[in-house]
Amino acid sequence: QSALTQPRSVSGSPGQSVTISCTGTSSDVGGYNFVSWYQQHPGKAPRLMIYDVSKWPSGVPDRFSGSKSGNTAYLTISGLQAEDEADYYCCSYGGTYWVFGGGTKVTVL
Amino acid sequence: EVQLVESGGGLVQPGGSLRLSCVGSGFTFRSYEMNWVRQAPGKGLEWVSYISSSGGTIYYADSVKGRFTISRDNAESSLYLQMNSLRAEDTAVYFCAFIGPYDFSGFYSLGKWGQGTLVTVSS
Repeated sequence: QSALTQPRSVSGSPGQSVTISCTGTSSDVGGYNFVSWYQQHPGKAPRLMIYDVSKWPSGVPDRFSGSKSGNTAYLTISGLQAEDEADYYCCSYGGTYWVFGGGTKVTVL
Repeated sequence: EVQLVESGGGLVQPGGSLRLSCVGSGFTFRSYEMNWVRQAPGKGLEWVSYISSSGGTIYYADSVKGRFTISRDNAESSLYLQMNSLRAEDTAVYFCAFIGPYDFSGFYSLGKWGQGTLVTVSS
Protein backbone atom coordinates (compact mmCIF):
# COMPACT_ATOMS: atom_id res chain seq x y z
CA GLN A 1 0.00 0.00 0.00
CA SER A 2 2.75 2.49 -0.82
CA ALA A 3 1.57 5.82 -2.14
CA LEU A 4 1.64 6.31 -5.89
CA THR A 5 4.30 8.71 -7.18
CA GLN A 6 3.26 12.01 -8.74
CA PRO A 7 5.31 15.12 -9.53
CA ARG A 8 4.85 17.77 -6.87
CA SER A 9 3.95 20.47 -9.35
CA VAL A 10 3.40 21.27 -13.00
CA SER A 11 2.58 24.55 -14.66
CA GLY A 12 1.44 25.93 -17.96
CA SER A 13 0.05 29.03 -19.60
CA PRO A 14 -3.62 29.37 -20.50
CA GLY A 15 -4.41 27.33 -23.59
CA GLN A 16 -1.41 25.05 -23.19
CA SER A 17 -1.46 21.37 -22.23
CA VAL A 18 0.02 19.79 -19.13
CA THR A 19 0.44 16.12 -18.28
CA ILE A 20 0.69 14.62 -14.81
CA SER A 21 2.21 11.19 -14.31
CA CYS A 22 1.25 8.69 -11.63
CA THR A 23 3.53 5.72 -11.06
CA GLY A 24 2.56 2.66 -9.06
CA THR A 25 3.32 -1.02 -9.21
CA SER A 26 2.03 -4.14 -10.90
CA SER A 27 -0.16 -4.68 -7.81
CA ASP A 28 -2.15 -1.51 -8.34
CA VAL A 29 -1.80 0.76 -11.39
CA GLY A 30 -0.32 -1.94 -13.59
CA GLY A 31 -2.63 -4.67 -12.39
CA TYR A 32 -6.02 -3.02 -12.83
CA ASN A 33 -7.66 -0.59 -15.22
CA PHE A 34 -9.20 1.21 -12.26
CA VAL A 35 -7.19 4.40 -12.01
CA SER A 36 -9.10 7.55 -11.15
CA TRP A 37 -8.14 11.20 -10.92
CA TYR A 38 -9.48 13.82 -8.50
CA GLN A 39 -9.32 17.60 -8.55
CA GLN A 40 -9.22 19.47 -5.27
CA HIS A 41 -9.42 23.22 -4.81
CA PRO A 42 -8.22 24.67 -1.48
CA GLY A 43 -10.63 23.96 1.35
CA LYS A 44 -12.93 21.91 -0.86
CA ALA A 45 -13.78 18.26 -1.19
CA PRO A 46 -12.15 16.31 -4.02
CA ARG A 47 -14.03 15.99 -7.30
CA LEU A 48 -13.84 12.97 -9.58
CA MET A 49 -12.43 13.94 -13.00
CA ILE A 50 -11.48 10.63 -14.63
CA TYR A 51 -12.35 7.04 -13.75
CA ASP A 52 -11.33 3.63 -15.09
CA VAL A 53 -8.14 5.18 -16.54
CA SER A 54 -9.79 7.20 -19.29
CA LYS A 55 -13.55 7.65 -18.75
CA TRP A 56 -15.30 10.93 -17.98
CA PRO A 57 -18.00 11.37 -15.37
CA SER A 58 -20.82 13.48 -16.73
CA GLY A 59 -20.14 17.19 -16.37
CA VAL A 60 -16.35 16.93 -16.64
CA PRO A 61 -14.93 18.81 -19.64
CA ASP A 62 -13.29 16.64 -22.26
CA ARG A 63 -10.20 18.84 -21.92
CA PHE A 64 -9.30 16.34 -19.22
CA SER A 65 -8.11 12.98 -20.50
CA GLY A 66 -6.50 9.93 -18.97
CA SER A 67 -4.31 7.10 -20.16
CA LYS A 68 -2.06 4.37 -18.83
CA SER A 69 1.07 2.54 -19.88
CA GLY A 70 2.36 -0.27 -17.72
CA ASN A 71 2.61 0.87 -14.10
CA THR A 72 2.17 4.57 -14.94
CA ALA A 73 -1.04 6.49 -15.51
CA TYR A 74 -1.34 9.97 -16.96
CA LEU A 75 -3.75 12.87 -16.71
CA THR A 76 -3.58 15.45 -19.48
CA ILE A 77 -5.29 18.80 -19.28
CA SER A 78 -5.58 20.41 -22.71
CA GLY A 79 -6.45 24.04 -23.29
CA LEU A 80 -5.51 24.96 -19.74
CA GLN A 81 -7.89 27.41 -18.07
CA ALA A 82 -7.53 29.51 -14.92
CA GLU A 83 -10.08 27.39 -13.06
CA ASP A 84 -7.95 24.30 -13.62
CA GLU A 85 -5.46 25.59 -11.05
CA ALA A 86 -5.82 23.05 -8.24
CA ASP A 87 -4.31 19.94 -6.70
CA TYR A 88 -4.77 16.69 -8.60
CA TYR A 89 -4.60 13.22 -7.13
CA CYS A 90 -4.45 9.87 -8.85
CA CYS A 91 -5.89 6.81 -7.17
CA SER A 92 -5.69 3.13 -7.99
CA TYR A 93 -7.65 0.12 -6.85
CA GLY A 94 -5.40 -2.65 -5.59
CA GLY A 95 -7.69 -5.60 -4.99
CA THR A 96 -8.32 -5.09 -1.27
CA TYR A 97 -7.31 -1.48 -0.97
CA TRP A 98 -7.18 1.85 -2.74
CA VAL A 99 -4.02 3.95 -2.88
CA PHE A 100 -3.63 7.63 -3.73
CA GLY A 101 -0.75 9.54 -5.18
CA GLY A 102 0.91 12.33 -3.24
CA GLY A 103 -0.80 14.98 -5.32
CA THR A 104 0.32 17.43 -8.00
CA LYS A 105 -0.25 21.16 -7.83
CA VAL A 106 -1.20 22.55 -11.22
CA THR A 107 -0.38 26.24 -11.63
CA VAL A 108 -1.78 28.30 -14.47
CA LEU A 109 0.81 30.95 -15.27
CA GLU B 1 -29.73 16.86 -3.71
CA VAL B 2 -27.22 14.15 -2.90
CA GLN B 3 -25.41 14.96 0.35
CA LEU B 4 -22.91 13.36 2.68
CA VAL B 5 -22.41 15.11 6.01
CA GLU B 6 -19.65 14.06 8.37
CA SER B 7 -19.57 14.82 12.08
CA GLY B 8 -17.84 13.71 15.27
CA GLY B 9 -14.43 15.27 14.75
CA GLY B 10 -12.63 17.19 17.45
CA LEU B 11 -9.60 17.31 19.72
CA VAL B 12 -8.56 14.07 21.40
CA GLN B 13 -5.48 13.06 23.35
CA PRO B 14 -3.03 10.45 22.05
CA GLY B 15 -4.30 7.00 22.93
CA GLY B 16 -7.88 8.21 23.00
CA SER B 17 -10.92 7.26 20.95
CA LEU B 18 -13.35 9.03 18.69
CA ARG B 19 -16.34 7.96 16.58
CA LEU B 20 -17.02 9.67 13.29
CA SER B 21 -20.41 9.63 11.58
CA CYS B 22 -21.47 10.32 8.01
CA VAL B 23 -25.14 10.73 7.14
CA GLY B 24 -26.28 10.38 3.56
CA SER B 25 -29.36 11.96 2.00
CA GLY B 26 -30.85 12.38 -1.43
CA PHE B 27 -29.91 8.87 -2.55
CA THR B 28 -30.53 5.23 -1.64
CA PHE B 29 -27.79 4.88 0.95
CA ARG B 30 -28.14 1.10 1.34
CA SER B 31 -27.21 0.57 -2.32
CA TYR B 32 -23.84 2.29 -2.13
CA GLU B 33 -20.39 1.11 -1.14
CA MET B 34 -18.78 3.60 1.23
CA ASN B 35 -15.27 4.71 2.07
CA TRP B 36 -13.38 6.90 4.51
CA VAL B 37 -10.49 8.97 3.14
CA ARG B 38 -8.36 11.33 5.19
CA GLN B 39 -6.11 14.29 4.53
CA ALA B 40 -3.53 15.50 7.03
CA PRO B 41 -3.11 19.28 7.17
CA GLY B 42 -1.28 20.44 4.05
CA LYS B 43 -0.84 16.86 2.86
CA GLY B 44 -2.34 14.54 0.29
CA LEU B 45 -5.27 12.17 0.35
CA GLU B 46 -4.99 8.80 2.09
CA TRP B 47 -7.57 6.05 1.71
CA VAL B 48 -8.58 4.67 5.14
CA SER B 49 -11.33 2.08 4.84
CA TYR B 50 -14.07 0.55 2.66
CA ILE B 51 -17.36 -1.13 3.44
CA SER B 52 -19.68 -2.84 0.96
CA SER B 53 -23.34 -1.90 0.65
CA SER B 54 -24.43 -4.74 2.91
CA GLY B 55 -21.52 -4.35 5.31
CA GLY B 56 -20.33 -7.86 4.54
CA THR B 57 -16.99 -6.85 3.02
CA ILE B 58 -14.59 -4.49 4.79
CA TYR B 59 -11.06 -3.37 3.99
CA TYR B 60 -8.59 -1.19 5.89
CA ALA B 61 -5.38 0.63 5.14
CA ASP B 62 -2.39 -0.95 6.88
CA SER B 63 -1.88 2.31 8.80
CA VAL B 64 -5.19 1.92 10.69
CA LYS B 65 -5.75 -1.84 10.73
CA GLY B 66 -6.47 -3.09 14.23
CA ARG B 67 -7.23 0.41 15.53
CA PHE B 68 -10.12 1.65 13.38
CA THR B 69 -13.47 -0.04 12.72
CA ILE B 70 -15.82 0.91 9.90
CA SER B 71 -19.54 0.13 10.13
CA ARG B 72 -22.84 1.26 8.70
CA ASP B 73 -26.52 1.42 9.59
CA ASN B 74 -28.49 1.37 6.37
CA ALA B 75 -31.76 2.00 8.20
CA GLU B 76 -30.30 5.28 9.44
CA SER B 77 -28.41 6.05 6.18
CA SER B 78 -25.29 6.35 8.29
CA LEU B 79 -21.64 5.37 8.04
CA TYR B 80 -19.33 5.24 11.05
CA LEU B 81 -15.64 5.11 11.82
CA GLN B 82 -14.67 4.07 15.32
CA MET B 83 -11.11 5.22 15.93
CA ASN B 84 -9.18 3.83 18.89
CA SER B 85 -5.56 4.17 20.08
CA LEU B 86 -5.29 7.46 18.24
CA ARG B 87 -1.87 8.84 17.34
CA ALA B 88 -0.65 12.27 16.35
CA GLU B 89 -0.29 11.04 12.77
CA ASP B 90 -4.03 10.37 12.64
CA THR B 91 -4.63 14.13 12.71
CA ALA B 92 -6.50 14.90 9.50
CA VAL B 93 -9.73 15.90 7.86
CA TYR B 94 -11.76 12.74 7.42
CA PHE B 95 -14.00 12.52 4.35
CA CYS B 96 -16.67 9.96 3.67
CA ALA B 97 -17.25 9.12 0.02
CA PHE B 98 -19.25 6.61 -1.97
CA ILE B 99 -18.52 4.56 -5.05
CA GLY B 100 -21.00 5.36 -7.77
CA PRO B 101 -23.42 5.87 -9.22
CA TYR B 102 -21.87 3.23 -11.41
CA ASP B 103 -22.82 4.96 -14.65
CA PHE B 104 -21.12 8.09 -13.30
CA SER B 105 -17.99 6.74 -11.64
CA GLY B 106 -17.67 3.08 -12.50
CA PHE B 107 -17.27 0.44 -9.81
CA TYR B 108 -13.98 1.50 -8.24
CA SER B 109 -13.96 5.31 -8.03
CA LEU B 110 -15.34 7.76 -5.52
CA GLY B 111 -18.14 9.66 -7.19
CA LYS B 112 -19.36 11.78 -4.29
CA TRP B 113 -17.57 13.17 -1.24
CA GLY B 114 -18.67 14.90 1.92
CA GLN B 115 -17.02 18.09 3.16
CA GLY B 116 -15.07 16.35 5.89
CA THR B 117 -14.64 16.57 9.65
CA LEU B 118 -11.38 17.51 11.35
CA VAL B 119 -9.76 15.19 13.88
CA THR B 120 -6.89 16.56 15.92
CA VAL B 121 -4.84 14.23 18.09
CA SER B 122 -2.76 16.21 20.53
CA SER B 123 -2.01 16.50 24.22
